[in-house]
Amino acid sequence: GAGVSQSPRYKVAKRGQDVALRCDPISGHVSLFWYQQALGQGPEFLTYFQNEAQLDKSGLPSDRFFAERPEGSVSTLKIQRTQQEDSAVYLCASSRAGMNTEAFFGQGTRLTVV
Amino acid sequence: AQTVTQSQPEMSVQEAETVTLSCTYDTSESDYYLFWYKQPPSRQMILVIRQEAYKQQNATENRFSVNFQKAAKSFSLKISDSQLGDAAMYFCAYRSPTSGTYKYIFGTGTRLKVLA
Repeated sequence: GAGVSQSPRYKVAKRGQDVALRCDPISGHVSLFWYQQALGQGPEFLTYFQNEAQLDKSGLPSDRFFAERPEGSVSTLKIQRTQQEDSAVYLCASSRAGMNTEAFFGQGTRLTVV
Repeated sequence: AQTVTQSQPEMSVQEAETVTLSCTYDTSESDYYLFWYKQPPSRQMILVIRQEAYKQQNATENRFSVNFQKAAKSFSLKISDSQLGDAAMYFCAYRSPTSGTYKYIFGTGTRLKVLA
């Protein structure tokens, strides 16, 4: 596609429910990032994939958070037993390999846990 | 660990005027990249401008320019001839190779209001 696509745009979950957030990166982009953005804050790094390999998951806040990218393209961020503090916008970004490459962001999924 | 600080939660500028957004960062690395991203209400982060740390010349993109002071670890964004469409959240970001992931580290953002 023309850009990074995330779905759903909005998700309301009851506390304790499991959720899955999807990211379709730009075709051919090797790198894929997930970020969490709380209201009024800057994005915080969650995890990074290079192709299908998850090379960095240091930002995942707990073992309730799990991400995968099994074929090196589409990625899914799963949150189990959601808590109110999980309410945030989840941003996905993709880029070609290398530090000087531009990362393209999706429009994010706004998760509200009630 | 690297940190990025944006000390101005909100700024206002009159249309057609110039405004400067501040950003400082802390790092012990010598090789890195700095970015300014714009985030409108649609939430999609849009790259405004980037600066390579090894380049002394300040980056410029049309009405947007930076003042990069490596020794002071300062990276401010100047927007000239401000337009209503410039109103958004602006995030300063740091990126380095040593993490191995090239992940961005973002500041807390500055909300820019443009007054007609």
